[in-house]
Amino acid sequence: GESVGLHLPTLSVQEGDNSIINCAYSNSASDYFIWYKQESGKGPQFIIDIRSNMDKRQGQRVTVLLNKTVKHLSLQIAATQPGDSAVYFCAENARDYKLSFGAGTTVTVRA
Amino acid sequence: KAGVTQTPRYLIKTRGQQVTLSCSPISGHRSVSWYQQTPGQGLQFLFEYFSETQRNKGNFPGRFSGRQFSNSRSEMNVSTLELGDSALYLCASSSSWGNTEAFFGQGTRLTVV
Repeated sequence: GESVGLHLPTLSVQEGDNSIINCAYSNSASDYFIWYKQESGKGPQFIIDIRSNMDKRQGQRVTVLLNKTVKHLSLQIAATQPGDSAVYFCAENARDYKLSFGAGTTVTVRA
Repeated sequence: KAGVTQTPRYLIKTRGQQVTLSCSPISGHRSVSWYQQTPGQGLQFLFEYFSETQRNKGNFPGRFSGRQFSNSRSEMNVSTLELGDSALYLCASSSSWGNTEAFFGQGTRLTVV
C-alpha cells in the first residue's frame, strides 16, 4: 500500500546542533511534499514544501531534500533551538490530491 | 491576516449523540480540508471542499459528513458518536484545490464518553 513514514519516532538533539529528520514514502506518483511542525496543543504549522521537480529547497534555517530515486525526504534544521521542540510530520500529496501524513518524529532539544 | 479558526476548541459528547464542528478558513481561501488526528492512527484525511463541492473523500464511514458554505466556511458533522471518534479534528485551508500549501487551525478536541 501507499504510505508515508518517518524513520525514527524520536530525536534528541543538543541546542545549537543541526537536526536531520527523515521520511520515506512509497508512492512514486507523489509530486508534492510538505513538512509540518506541531507543538503541543496546536495544529500543524507549515514549515516548507517541495515539488518533485526539485531536489532541494531552503527556507529560514530549514532545508528540505528530496531523493526520488530512493523515495526519501529529509528536513534539516540548522542551529536547533529550544523552540524547535515539537512533532514533525512529512506529508505527501499523491495523484489523488489527498495529503497523506507520516507518523511523526518527536524532536526534543537538550539545553 | 487571520488564520484558520475552528470552533469549539473542546467538546465532550456522549455515545450515540451527534456533533457539528465549524471551520473558518483564511480569508480568500476557497478550499477546506478536514483531518482526524489520534495517537494510534495519526493524521487521517476526512474530506475536502472547494467552492461548496466535496472534491475528495477519505476512508471514513458515512457517519462523517461535511459541507461548505458560499463564504467558504465549513462544517463537519459526526452522527451516532462512538468512543473511537474521540480525537483532535483539524481543519486546513488552501487557496486552491488539491491541498497545496495547506494551513491548519488549532483543532477541536472531541471526547466521546
